[in-house]
Amino acid sequence: DAGITQSPRHKVTETGTPVTLRCHQTENHRYMYWYRQDPGHGLRLIHYSYGVKDTDKGEVSDGYSVSRSKTEDFLLTLESATSSQTSVYFCAISDLAGDTEAFFGQGTRLTVV
Amino acid sequence: KQEVTQIPAALSVPEGENLVLNCSFTDSAIYNLQWFRQDPGKGLTSLLLIQSSQREQTSGRLNASLDKSSGRSTLYIAASQPGDSATYLCAVVLSGGYNKLIFGAGTRLAVHP
Repeated sequence: DAGITQSPRHKVTETGTPVTLRCHQTENHRYMYWYRQDPGHGLRLIHYSYGVKDTDKGEVSDGYSVSRSKTEDFLLTLESATSSQTSVYFCAISDLAGDTEAFFGQGTRLTVV
Repeated sequence: KQEVTQIPAALSVPEGENLVLNCSFTDSAIYNLQWFRQDPGKGLTSLLLIQSSQREQTSGRLNASLDKSSGRSTLYIAASQPGDSATYLCAVVLSGGYNKLIFGAGTRLAVHP
């Protein structure tokens, strides 16, 4: 298994609070991604990173921010959590230009009450 | 905008059957296509990666084909087993960089003894 660790694995938080999810990799892969998975929508890209301090928005980026200060860590922050952000969040990594597979973490189940 | 569709959404078969799962995409300008497996409550496991220049890939009882011009891929599972029960996801990477995946909603497979 690829070395990807997501933390926490489960979290319950209140509406309006900030939340940070962490993704840590030991593979030294250049690209890192945050996806969310919801019933009826499949997986959708939130943000991605193509290098340290290089990030960009994905399809569903509103209400989220990211940071990557080291190759191995990619943080996803919900600035003010809402019930619509209740979801399962997956971190993924890949390397080079599409010549290798993408690998996924085990996911973080976030519930906003 | 690239859209990925998987048919059928769910499938229930007896053990031993050969299966075909279908994936279609609207934009043929893809870099590669990847098939994943997801068990309930778990992350995604990569099964097969097909580059846009390839026609098929095989791994054990799994065979994936790609017809880029018609926007279709199929995942063939030979001699299905109860352990194959899972959700199968197809995802494409568009040409243009960053290896961003666009997912279908998946096919939920149940193989019963």
